[in-house]
Amino acid sequence: GQNIDQPTEMTATEGAIVQINCTYQTSGFNGLFWYQQHAGEAPTFLSYNVLDGLEEKGRFSSFLSRSKGYSYLLLKELQMKDSASYLCAVSSRGTALIFGKGTTLSVSS
Amino acid sequence: EAGVAQSPRYKIIEKRQSVAFWCNPISGHATLYWYQQILGQGPKLLIQFQNNGVVDDSQLPKDRFSAERLKGVDSTLKIQPAKLEDSAVYLCASSLDRQNYGYTFGSGTRLTVV
Repeated sequence: GQNIDQPTEMTATEGAIVQINCTYQTSGFNGLFWYQQHAGEAPTFLSYNVLDGLEEKGRFSSFLSRSKGYSYLLLKELQMKDSASYLCAVSSRGTALIFGKGTTLSVSS
Repeated sequence: EAGVAQSPRYKIIEKRQSVAFWCNPISGHATLYWYQQILGQGPKLLIQFQNNGVVDDSQLPKDRFSAERLKGVDSTLKIQPAKLEDSAVYLCASSLDRQNYGYTFGSGTRLTVV
């Protein structure tokens, strides 16, 4: 089966850097995704990693280590609008994405 | 490009009643997904369609849930009879095909069963 673990909650202050970790166990790994979900809204795509290494996109970066079953999402220069839930999702063998429970990030001033 | 449309936005029903949700995917997207998201959890796949055929419905509680995608476009998800534990947000998503992970989610239907 598949198992995805990520912290339930995190807090940070404006302007800071925060790292949200995700560990996973799956067979036939085919990629890892990060989605952002504001309260009451639909998830929106942030990043996709299929090879080991760091993918940078503006203030957001995502890292993947396939051998360790580990990924993290790095958010820099935090803003209040970054307060949201961050969902780690795994794809295997072309199946639909399997999501973790999400990490609720609270950014304070 | 229009997004994924879902309706209704909110629904409150009593337990044992029935309810139906509707989804219209992005034009040309062959793959459609229904996810259930209980408060405080991540989305859980209920059913995946490729055109009008079912690819995966292994987590769909078939004794009470049903879904169809006639003509490979719009889809409806039905619950009959509803239970208290069905209270959740039901998200519809679509993608170009099964190998394309450019999922686009609709705004969801928030169901409350009382």
